Amino acid sequence: KAGVTQTPRYLIKTRGQQVTLSCSPISGHRSVSWYQQTPGQGLQFLFEYFSETQRNKGNFPGRFSGRQFSNSRSEMNVSTLELGDSALYLCASSRTGESEQYFGPGTRLTVT
Amino acid sequence: QKEVEQNSGPLSVPEGAIASLNCTYSDRGSQSFFWYRQYSGKSPELIMSIYSNGDKEDGRFTAQLNKASQYVSLLIRDSQPSDSATYLCAVNLWAAGNKLTFGGGTRVLVKP
Repeated sequence: KAGVTQTPRYLIKTRGQQVTLSCSPISGHRSVSWYQQTPGQGLQFLFEYFSETQRNKGNFPGRFSGRQFSNSRSEMNVSTLELGDSALYLCASSRTGESEQYFGPGTRLTVT
Repeated sequence: QKEVEQNSGPLSVPEGAIASLNCTYSDRGSQSFFWYRQYSGKSPELIMSIYSNGDKEDGRFTAQLNKASQYVSLLIRDSQPSDSATYLCAVNLWAAGNKLTFGGGTRVLVKP
């Protein structure tokens, strides 16, 4: 069974630009969560989508947004990039009604 | 006070010994507890989940949960150099949906 996939794996952007990251969950998983990992703040929850609806949201500014499609694939968008947005962005999926989350390989975003 | 706390380490253990990792959490409403292993440059990998008080064993790993004392621990028996990684404790604080709150991680070094 294929795992969670994320594209692109690496990205370099300039301050002020916007970026869209994509995540395909494990087949049959309908919940997709996004996390940001930085050396200083560790792993922090961004948001969770289930059945195309945002179910939970972390403490990030409105520049961070996401959506989920009918096939459970999810995208997250960061607008007006700042240097501090440089991080590893991780997507995780889980089965309906279960808490265990399985992470994808992540997208390494560098903002210059 | 951080919601989920771990000793950052490094925890140095000789090959073949038992590595003992601890994690405390602040919210008594926490329901689900997880241990993830993260190798340098890789994404977190789920190794254990535990939901009720007591011990849960899976191969060389044993997770222990004590909700009254608000701690969860992970024992790694017969530690191998391949166990050298950062171990992340994660807690699901919400009754509905998936939002994992992570500790900062404990770095484990297994020396041959």
